[in-house]
Amino acid sequence: KNQVEQSPQSLIILEGKNCTLQCNYTVSPFSNLRWYKQDTGRGPVSLTIMTFSENTKSNGRYTATLDADTKQSSLHITASQLSDSASYICVVKTDSWGKLQFGAGTQVVVTP
Amino acid sequence: SAVISQKPSRDICQRGTSLTIQCQVDSQVTMMFWYRQQPGQSLTLIATANQGSEATYESGFVIDKFPISRPNLTFSTLTVSNMSPEDSSIYLCSVEVSNYGYTFGSGTRLTVV
Repeated sequence: KNQVEQSPQSLIILEGKNCTLQCNYTVSPFSNLRWYKQDTGRGPVSLTIMTFSENTKSNGRYTATLDADTKQSSLHITASQLSDSASYICVVKTDSWGKLQFGAGTQVVVTP
Repeated sequence: SAVISQKPSRDICQRGTSLTIQCQVDSQVTMMFWYRQQPGQSLTLIATANQGSEATYESGFVIDKFPISRPNLTFSTLTVSNMSPEDSSIYLCSVEVSNYGYTFGSGTRLTVV
């Protein structure tokens, strides 16, 4: 069973609307959680990274939240643009030398 | 963060042949990571490459199939050997510059026919 579960698997939103992606994890111990954006056929690009003590981190129109107690994170996209169409991947790292645990990603399609 | 140049970006190969993927980093890094991403799935770690030593392979991946070179602290190659259609995937290299930051190459989209 994957230790990082993302939902929804995919979603379609209208340009200009907001959306929220979810990430639940069971990885332990926890070092940090990252959200990546992956355009089709490209490598993932980091959006945010949060440690245990951080609850919110923003990067432009992207805002990530983290609840380390419930092991949940979300990524909120504000005023979506067509260029936001991509796969968004939640990645959790265990301790300093731990491997990365990848979620399967949420495929976002923004339509005009 | 580091900048990674990965090539080729894509290739179509005949079954039974081999393809070597290159990653060049603009700074010296201790470890480089190679991932495979099959269609619609998350990234799977193939191996970790340290300079001057043999790569460490994850369960399900073997050196004969995925030989890796790491001649210096800024460069690594992954070879996909004796390819079959099941090897069709995106292959990515990655480095961790600090305890926080992972940077990925742009990926190599491999199609085996």
